[in-house]
Amino acid sequence: DAGVIQSPRHEVTEMGQEVTLRCKPISGHNSLFWYRQTMMRGLELLIYFNNNVPIDDSGMPEDRFSAKMPNASFSTLKIQPSEPRDSAVYFCASSFRSAGVGETQYFGPGTRLLVL
Amino acid sequence: KQEVTQIPAALSVPEGENLVLNCSFTDSAIYNLQWFRQDPGKGLTSLLLIQSSQREQTSGRLNASLDKSSGRSTLYIAASQPGDSATYLCAVTRNQFYFGTGTSLTVIP
Repeated sequence: DAGVIQSPRHEVTEMGQEVTLRCKPISGHNSLFWYRQTMMRGLELLIYFNNNVPIDDSGMPEDRFSAKMPNASFSTLKIQPSEPRDSAVYFCASSFRSAGVGETQYFGPGTRLLVL
Repeated sequence: KQEVTQIPAALSVPEGENLVLNCSFTDSAIYNLQWFRQDPGKGLTSLLLIQSSQREQTSGRLNASLDKSSGRSTLYIAASQPGDSATYLCAVTRNQFYFGTGTSLTVIP
């Protein structure tokens, strides 16, 4: 298996532009997580899905952020409009069983976002 | 809200030394605790998972312990090697993962 796939790996954009990050979880995994990592705040959970349904989005910073999972093999995290403070590494992770039982998560390589 | 703290934030040791990384958490009602490794510019790799009913887990030169009542976990690395240099994060889970800020380890050849 190729593991969790994220694209793009790097994104540089200007303030105000829309940014879309993409994730393909490991085949057969039922839970998907979006995280943001910064030096100041460490790793923060933004949102997670069980069986394509958003369960907890309390970590989403504000309405500029939205996430979708239209099917079991694809998810997007969108920022519109982007701001310089959104600059971070965004990780996607997946696990076999539903979140809540604490099964091991497998992380993608991350997307490095820089908003100028 | 669960708070997870890791001390020290950075650690530098000579090759061959045994070392201990610490993780503490404020809410003992957890399902399990995991230790992850993160290499620069890369994602996280799970090292060890300890269920809340367990006291420790071992994998090779790594040993993780869990004292749920006191809200503490340690990761013991025996005979450290330069390839162990990375950031180590602990995470506790209940309904979601709560990560610590990590300990950056450098093993000097």
